[in-house]
Amino acid sequence: QSALTQPASVSGSPGQSITISCTGTSSDVGGYNYVSWYQQHPGKAPKLMIYDVSYRPSGVSNRFSGSKSGTTASLTISGLQADDEADYYCSSYTRSSTWVFGGGTKLTVL
Amino acid sequence: EVQLVESGGGLVKPGGSLRLSCAVSEFTISGYSMNWVRQAPGKGLEWVSSISSSLTYIYYADSVKGRFTISRDNAKNSLYLQMNSLRAEDTAVYFCASGNYGDYSPNFWGQGALVTVSS
Repeated sequence: QSALTQPASVSGSPGQSITISCTGTSSDVGGYNYVSWYQQHPGKAPKLMIYDVSYRPSGVSNRFSGSKSGTTASLTISGLQADDEADYYCSSYTRSSTWVFGGGTKLTVL
Repeated sequence: EVQLVESGGGLVKPGGSLRLSCAVSEFTISGYSMNWVRQAPGKGLEWVSSISSSLTYIYYADSVKGRFTISRDNAKNSLYLQMNSLRAEDTAVYFCASGNYGDYSPNFWGQGALVTVSS
């Protein structure tokens, strides 16, 4: 159950777009369309932003989008806003019927 | 508004036991998988365990297998985690999570319960 690989940090200016990658294996990200993305502000519970690779839950801004190619999933945030500054985690279902999270990416809005 | 409220956290000595509870309101859990996810201080999220709606399927992370037991009481709309043989590395905030966007992507999370394992 090795963690998925995410960059430790990314940054962007307000209005810009950023992309966070999430790399796994054929036993998790590459094998299933069950990749989710979560936003977590300090001291708060995670918030689901994307599920099943590219679907947005009700109420989540369309500035957030997800995709997948092979064993790498990506979260793109367009039109960066100050409130987007948070930690972002990807997760995937695995062949062992378990979940695995990425190590997390700290997004800084400059 | 859906609420998940964890309780039962606290300070325990290595080798000790704790039982976490998660009471759910405004969301009937009987039709959905329930999950525990933890986060060590200053660290990332770690999936701990999941239990299916019918109790047929139960899964654990390797790090807790054989020590932790997940259970649920659909009549009480509650989820539980019995934690035995606790270790220092189990110190974390434990989140209860579920939702209606599939079994692997919970959109409802509790505020978390802090478990500290220390002598």
